[in-house]
Amino acid sequence: NAGVTQTPKFQVLKTGQSMTLQCAQDMNHNSMYWYRQDPGMGLRLIYYSASEGTTDKGEVPNGYNVSRLNKREFSLRLESAAPSQTSVYFCASRDLAGNTIYFGEGSWLTVV
Amino acid sequence: RKEVEQDPGPFNVPEGATVAFNCTYSNSASQSFFWYRQDCRKEPKLLMSVYSSGNEDGRFTAQLNRASQYISLLIRDSKLSDSATYLCVVNRGGNTPLVFGKGTRLSVIA
Repeated sequence: NAGVTQTPKFQVLKTGQSMTLQCAQDMNHNSMYWYRQDPGMGLRLIYYSASEGTTDKGEVPNGYNVSRLNKREFSLRLESAAPSQTSVYFCASRDLAGNTIYFGEGSWLTVV
Repeated sequence: RKEVEQDPGPFNVPEGATVAFNCTYSNSASQSFFWYRQDCRKEPKLLMSVYSSGNEDGRFTAQLNRASQYISLLIRDSKLSDSATYLCVVNRGGNTPLVFGKGTRLSVIA
């Protein structure tokens, strides 16, 4: 029972490099989310996808793009990484009927 | 004003103590409420839902006061393993994302 799986777990990037964080869920959930978490800031929503084929901006979308590839997968792309994007990134999914949101284990990203 | 506000703590309590966390929310149309727990360097996980009538799960009791737009979590007989950050979470309904408070950090000391 994998739940929400995100990769990579750790990544170091140089300023200006690009990368994609991958996320997949096996719970047949409609909604998927990308959050970042910084010390003292709590979880901040970057982008979300309420259902397959739709994506919406969250609180802090600048510098990021997303793709809802299918119902299972939701990727987050940093086109030109900046040191301010050093953070822990969490992918999550949610079944609206159940309300509960399930998180992946997190991706630790450092931009130098 | 933030939509969900919590005292960040830290709350440092001895083992066996009773500790209570509070959370306020600003959107009176909010429909459902939860407490999540997050251990250091781990993902948040659901601790319990919060119902208007109040609900209990072992040593944990959650209360909701809709009139005051206030949620609480009471932990009795604190254990070292209760040390974590507790996140207050509000569902505004429909397809809207859940709203997370910044969390309250608890350290239970031997």
